[in-house]
Amino acid sequence: DIQMTQSPSSLSASVGDRVTISCRASQSISSYLNWYQHKPGKAPKLLIYAASSLQSGVPSRFSGSGSGTDFTLTISSLQPEDFATYYCQQSYSSFPVTFGQGTRLEIK
Amino acid sequence: QVQLVQSGAEVKKPGSSVKVSCKASGGTFSTYTISWVRQAPGQGLEWMGRIIPILRIANYAQKFQGRVTITADKSTSTAYMEVSSLRSEDTAVYYCARESGYHKNDYWGQGTLVTVSS
Repeated sequence: DIQMTQSPSSLSASVGDRVTISCRASQSISSYLNWYQHKPGKAPKLLIYAASSLQSGVPSRFSGSGSGTDFTLTISSLQPEDFATYYCQQSYSSFPVTFGQGTRLEIK
Repeated sequence: QVQLVQSGAEVKKPGSSVKVSCKASGGTFSTYTISWVRQAPGQGLEWMGRIIPILRIANYAQKFQGRVTITADKSTSTAYMEVSSLRSEDTAVYYCARESGYHKNDYWGQGTLVTVSS
């Protein structure tokens, strides 16, 4: 299975900050990388697919980049509603797809 | 607009089974792929398996092979995920999600809490 490693595991930031979360794959996955936001008691929400494509309805402050093994999710200016846990997911190998361990974004 | 509505919370005894449903509306169910993902308390997201209703093909993460069965009923646009031989470690919120291009999960059910306790 392809292993996905996110860093950092947790992050404290303030409203208005620029935040970057990294995700590394154990082998090349081309651009088959998706990002999700997950809040307690809610279903995960797709933010970015194919490494850099913004899902419909997602604010433009979210962006994704990378290819091969190294990927980044950037939030350009944190808003109060952005405090959540973020997961990357590789879909290069569809069997199985695998998630990173998550990055918890907390209010400083 | 695609909507996935899951069945309600369950409390089960160790060794028993649970079957969670996921009813879809909007779009064409038979052309979907439905994935199942779970989150145990304090843990991350874990992909369990998927089904392609039009092909009646399901595949599973190796960890769940033999203990999880995913099915779909095209007549009711409902997918099901059954876990047998439940143990305490299966206590989790179980989600269904539509899988579309790039194997991305773009629509999710609201989640079903399954608690395994004696």
